[in-house]
Amino acid sequence: EVQVLESGGGLVQPGGSLRLSCVASGFTVRSSAMNWVRQAPGKGLEWVSSISNSDGSTYYADSVKGRFTISRDNFKNTVYLQMNSLRAEDTAVYYCTERGAGYTFDYWGQGTLVTVSS
Amino acid sequence: SYELTQPLSVSVALGQTARITCGGNNIRSKNVHWYQQKPGQAPVLVMYRDSNRPSGIPERFSGSNSGNTATLTISRAQGGDEADYYCQVWDTSTAVFGGGTKLTVL
Repeated sequence: EVQVLESGGGLVQPGGSLRLSCVASGFTVRSSAMNWVRQAPGKGLEWVSSISNSDGSTYYADSVKGRFTISRDNFKNTVYLQMNSLRAEDTAVYYCTERGAGYTFDYWGQGTLVTVSS
Repeated sequence: SYELTQPLSVSVALGQTARITCGGNNIRSKNVHWYQQKPGQAPVLVMYRDSNRPSGIPERFSGSNSGNTATLTISRAQGGDEADYYCQVWDTSTAVFGGGTKLTVL
């Protein structure tokens, strides 16, 4: 069964850092394009970042570029999102999702809540 | 950057047909995917590449894409269809979501 499980969320002060983890089962992260999508409270979905399955290229939304870094550990079958210089507007549930061959987000975790507040 | 526009809300009477639109510049040139999200849950894919249903999605769900508008149609709407619906496309290597539409079944 394909599953992704996010962790690492929590309360952090503005300007602080946090690292989210996404452990995959039922597939290998090195063979999948993995993405992070977030949802601020009461708001819509916002794509954050992706890491390519082919060459490991990374992509970011303009809102997080230069502050967030996506990476993966093939041995641990885990994808990470390192978030630095956090702002109040980064407060959201962060979902890890696998982009399938049809370029759809096929599998989603239940999300991890990040709250940026003093 | 590419933008997708959805109505904030759509209401439909029980058993009737709901149509949720997603507007974008020449959107017909893109593959549009649709996700359903119920409160407290992760999104679920309900339509891919404009008009294809994943396994497990009822035939009542259909999709189309023409000109500057893609449409998700839900026939014989049921209470269980109440949810937020998001359209999504790829713009080069970035994913773009519409703002979401809240579907209410009356």
